[in-house]
Amino acid sequence: GAGVSQSPSNKVTEKGKDVELRCDPISGHTALYWYRQRLGQGLEFLIYFQGNSAPDKSGLPSDRFSAERTGESVSTLTIQRTQQEDSAVYLCASSYWGIEAFFGQGTRLTVV
Amino acid sequence: AQRVTQPEKLLSVFKGAPVELKCNYSYSGSPELFWYVQYSRQRLQLLLRHISRESIKGFTADLNKGETSFHLKKPFAQEEDSAMYYCAIGNYQLIWGAGTKLIIKP
Repeated sequence: GAGVSQSPSNKVTEKGKDVELRCDPISGHTALYWYRQRLGQGLEFLIYFQGNSAPDKSGLPSDRFSAERTGESVSTLTIQRTQQEDSAVYLCASSYWGIEAFFGQGTRLTVV
Repeated sequence: AQRVTQPEKLLSVFKGAPVELKCNYSYSGSPELFWYVQYSRQRLQLLLRHISRESIKGFTADLNKGETSFHLKKPFAQEEDSAMYYCAIGNYQLIWGAGTKLIIKP
């Protein structure tokens, strides 16, 4: 595709359930980022992948959060045992090394 | 520690007035510097990058290495400039500021 694609666009889940969010980066982009954006707030870094290097997981808020990426392809962000405070827009971005990051449209997660 | 600080969470100015969005940073080395913008219901997108030395939509950003700042400026604000603005720096991994919400009053 022409841009970064995220699915689903919206997700409503019950507290305690697991959710999986998907990000399709731009083909050839080596770097992939996940961010969280709470309503009216700025970007909160979650995790960064660069090629085949070990990911920077320093932003993951708890062990309920995990992410995977195989090579330079699709990434999934998994949130286990969701809590209401997990409600936010989850943004994915990709870039070719450190050059301009391109963002997806985000997944709006609502935990009820 | 590597850090980007945008001291203003919210900035409100009248149409036609000058705008300055502040960005201060702490970084080891020589990072690339960027400003990103997020208009209402749109994706976050690149506004400008330091290395290009461009003026985009009337905005410019000057790097002050002594003060480690990269403030975004526009001489005459327009209503369509209302958006969320983020400063980001880095070489491979981008470090982001918390963002400044800019509101242009008519």
